[in-house]
Amino acid sequence: KQEVTQIPAALSVPEGENLVLNCSFTDSAIYNLQWFRQDPGKGLTSLLLIQSSQREQTSGRLNASLDKSSGRSTLYIAASQPGDSATYLCAVGDSGNTPLVFGKGTRLSVIA
Amino acid sequence: GAVVSQHPSWVICKSGTSVKIECRSLDFQATTMFWYRQFPKQSLMLMATSNEGSKATYEQGVEKDKFLINHASLTLSTLTVTSAHPEDSSFYICSAPGSLGYEQYFGPGTRLTVT
Repeated sequence: KQEVTQIPAALSVPEGENLVLNCSFTDSAIYNLQWFRQDPGKGLTSLLLIQSSQREQTSGRLNASLDKSSGRSTLYIAASQPGDSATYLCAVGDSGNTPLVFGKGTRLSVIA
Repeated sequence: GAVVSQHPSWVICKSGTSVKIECRSLDFQATTMFWYRQFPKQSLMLMATSNEGSKATYEQGVEKDKFLINHASLTLSTLTVTSAHPEDSSFYICSAPGSLGYEQYFGPGTRLTVT
């Protein structure tokens, strides 16, 4: 059974700092990996999707990497801003039409 | 991009009553939809898989007689929480695979509070 772990559970950084969020999964036979952002009391915002054949994806200040063989992904946020404060969720899928398995998330606070 | 909507966005109901939550794919067809539940400060946990034209598949520990799922058409799945109890209070989110087959699109969620 696939399990997804995210470290750290919470992180507080000063504005402007670069940071890395970690995600690990137990079964490397994944189809894709998605990073989401969730604001308090809100739904999910998809940030980046990495297909199993890819090693990284970039969007603006965000960069996500995937190492299937080691079962790890990282989300790098450059020049963090207070508006980046949210919970970041990592999720993996073992095919395009199966449900995602989510980690518990990392709660990020960026202090102005 | 593909859009999934949910209705209502929030609902408060009394213990013992039933509540129906709708999940719609607005600009694509979805033969499969997934229903997740998220308790406060917890992650999303899959409850069930909704299949158009056939019975839903429930995860272990989820009562199928309590959480009724109907995939009425290729764009609509409904989740009915029957005889709701305060412990059913949660954030319910649905998703559907996109037409390209590699990305999931999530609805905005429904917050259910049972008093």
